[in-house]
Amino acid sequence: DVKVTQSSRYLVKRTGEKVFLECVQDMDHENMFWYRQDPGLGLRLIYFSYDVKMKEKGDIPEGYSVSREKKERFSLILESASTNQTSMYLCASLKRKGMTGELFFGEGSRLTVL
Amino acid sequence: DAKTTQPPSMDCAEGRAANLPCNHSTISGNEYVYWYRQIHSQGPQYIIHGLKNNETNEMASLIITEDRKSSTLILPHATLRDTAVYYCIVRVAGANNLFFGTGTRLTVIP
Repeated sequence: DVKVTQSSRYLVKRTGEKVFLECVQDMDHENMFWYRQDPGLGLRLIYFSYDVKMKEKGDIPEGYSVSREKKERFSLILESASTNQTSMYLCASLKRKGMTGELFFGEGSRLTVL
Repeated sequence: DAKTTQPPSMDCAEGRAANLPCNHSTISGNEYVYWYRQIHSQGPQYIIHGLKNNETNEMASLIITEDRKSSTLILPHATLRDTAVYYCIVRVAGANNLFFGTGTRLTVIP
């Protein structure tokens, strides 16, 4: 069974803290994505990566950075968390070759910044 | 990527067909239409995709108009477990990114 695993389902952090959200996929997919989901706003793309050490900005990259040192792992970093980054964060992966467009999502990480 | 427009919410009686519309009037010739759904507290799940022709799989059917400016996702016999938010997306094959909108919240009523 294909799987995208996010390290934490729920996190509570304080303003100014550095936050790491980890995502691992076991499908050897080239593309990985980080979205955030907020009520009434749908899913918004933060960053994506199409290869190791490669990254591209999505719609809302401000306040975030990412790291892709290994193909299976894509990390989202909040250098200094703020209350407006309280959200559900979703990681996804996509196989480039074949290109059916089937994104596989993790279960999500709900972050609360106090 | 072209944008899509979906109604924010819809209701459907259990056992009836659910028809979810999507407008993508600025779609270009090499963009596919994809549908995903998200059940509460889970990550979105792929349903179906198509380019020009109508498509059917075990989950749903996708009807794309001849001018490709709109499409309809059909769940032939909706069940309570189909209650979810449904997202319609257009994307160029091979593109590395995928942009979601706000989707349609479908509620299946007993």
